Amino acid sequence: DSGVTQTPKHLITATGQRVTLRCSPRSGDLSVYWYQQSLDQGLQFLIQYYNGEERAKGNILERFSAQQFPDLHSELNLSSLELGDSALYFCASSVADPNYGYTFGSGTRLTVV
Amino acid sequence: GDSVTQMEGPVTLSEEAFLTINCTYTATGYPSLFWYVQYPGEGLQLLLKATKADDKGSNKGFEATYRKETTSFHLEKGSVQVSDSAVYFCASWIPGYALNFGKGTSLLVTP
Repeated sequence: DSGVTQTPKHLITATGQRVTLRCSPRSGDLSVYWYQQSLDQGLQFLIQYYNGEERAKGNILERFSAQQFPDLHSELNLSSLELGDSALYFCASSVADPNYGYTFGSGTRLTVV
Repeated sequence: GDSVTQMEGPVTLSEEAFLTINCTYTATGYPSLFWYVQYPGEGLQLLLKATKADDKGSNKGFEATYRKETTSFHLEKGSVQVSDSAVYFCASWIPGYALNFGKGTSLLVTP
């Protein structure tokens, strides 16, 4: 157990639907990062939150949004889903300085049919 | 922007063979460099890191040296085991940004 908890582990949904992925960071970590992993694109950074505030944005689509709550857990909302959104979505957390490395969750596999 | 380029896989080796996975980076300034490993069905785990030029990161028999002159951070292991079969990711980090990963290199070690 890495200390980062992601739920659900698997999700199958239809095109056009909306889903919410949840992440609980490792105890004491204030930063949460969301990544999308697909075979052709590799690991793509989506968004970072630090202590409830958005800190950095990567290649996140407008159909996607995220937030970090006062208890530091984070949710990634994906809407108007398309087949191409099928991927593994990872959450990672870190203390303020990423030089200590990220701790990754085991991911949520999203399949859009 | 900064980027990380890894050699394409898959890499297939026999047990006890020598491993090298190449990684080069482009960045403004001097990033910290990392290798992460992903075992099947799991998230990524930090394998080793180096935060400045000429630093050598090492862990579990793996090593990588931060070479500023060649902008490289190649991963090496003298004798691989079947249990080393995984996907290896090189990554860079500059303050103010998130970790930037390469596309990953799949390694398969056969008995």
